[in-house]
Parts: sequence; C-alpha cells; structure tokens
Amino acid sequence: DADVTQTPRNRITKTGKRIMLECSQTKGHDRMYWYRQDPGLGLRLIYYSFDVKDINKGEISDGYSVSRQAQAKFSLSLESAIPNQTALYFCATSDGGIRLASDTQYFGPGTRLTVL
Amino acid sequence: AQKVTQAQTEISVVEKEDVTLDCVYETRDTTYYLFWYKQPPSGELVFLIRRNSFDEQNEISGRYSWNFQKSTSSFNFTITASQVVDSAVYFCALSGTGGTSYGKLTFGQGTILTVHP
Repeated sequence: DADVTQTPRNRITKTGKRIMLECSQTKGHDRMYWYRQDPGLGLRLIYYSFDVKDINKGEISDGYSVSRQAQAKFSLSLESAIPNQTALYFCATSDGGIRLASDTQYFGPGTRLTVL
Repeated sequence: AQKVTQAQTEISVVEKEDVTLDCVYETRDTTYYLFWYKQPPSGELVFLIRRNSFDEQNEISGRYSWNFQKSTSSFNFTITASQVVDSAVYFCALSGTGGTSYGKLTFGQGTILTVHP
C-alpha cells in the first residue's frame, strides 16, 4: 500500500461549491504539506503543518483552509471553488530529520481538480 | 526570498543520448539544501536526491549524476545514455534555513524531458 494517499484522485466540481481533499499517511511523519501544481509554475505551497497543533500558511493560501485531524491526516478545503483553482494538488509528508531544512518530502499521487 | 530557475522548459533527445538538466538557484542563506524530483507521466512525484550546501562533491547513481557548483549557484542533473523510461518532468527544489524559507521547498518551473526511441 502507498505510504501517502490522497482522495479523491480526480474531481470535477462547479463554481461556488465547497470541496475537501483528503490526505492520509502511514509513514509516521509529523510534518504534512499541501501544494498545487500549475503548468509552467512548478509546485507552490498552500499550507503546511509541522505537528497536529501547528498550521501555517504557505505562499498561496487565499481561498483555501486546512484541518489537521490527526498526525496521519491533513485535509485541504476550498470553501467556494473558483475556476482558477483548477490544478493538480499534492500532499506531502516529512519526518523533520536532524535539521528541518534538510527534510526530504515525500509526495502523494495527487488529486486532479477541475472547477467549471 | 529564495528562487529556483529551470530555464529549459522542454528537452527532446533520442534514446542513448546524454542529457543535462540545468538548475540555478538564489538564496541568502549560507546553509541550504537542494533536491531533484521526477514526475513521470503517471503524475506522482518521486524523490531523486538531496544535496546540502556544504558538500560540493558530485554524486553518481547509476545513469544519473549531479553536479553542484556553489560558485555559480547551480545544481545540474545529467542522465547518461537516456532511455524512454526517463521521459518525465523533472523539478529542482531548494530548502533554506533562514527566516520564512526555513524547512519549506521552493520549486523550479520544471523541465519536460522526452526521450524518443
């Protein structure tokens, strides 16, 4: 079984709908991240969490919210989806290691979201 | 702020050719970490390598090699004798140790590599 799973893998929704993307991990990592990937822009950080009680905004958090339900679960919500949120969304985890900055992040398979 | 630039948007080669993917970065940190990830057509992101800023030794892993040059702020990735299975998008990323960049990855735009049979 995959260490980092994301559900759903594909989702089509309409403008204005609320949608939640879920991420679960069995790696036992404390740190979890949400990114979005757009063509030509690479991956950009939306939110990150270094432990269950810690939530931080990333580079592009507007229009998104997150919930860290447990060490293994980190959900991303779009309160009112808009077409420019159409993208590939990735969840990632890391264990922190000895030096935070040297953390290697391991990614889930991605969720392809289309907002019509 | 830190920045990663992959100037090559797309590269196309024929199988068995060698190919180098360029990565140039900017950071004010004296200690930082560099990464390469591979995204095959199936879409997942696969970790390839991590390199720290105080170790400029080049690294080789099978057909893959990485050349880190601090003087030019570059961390280039070479695939020797490319194969069709190497076709993917490759991302270079940077993690800093100072201020708001601490522990967070900044990605380049990615290079699409296509290896033709």
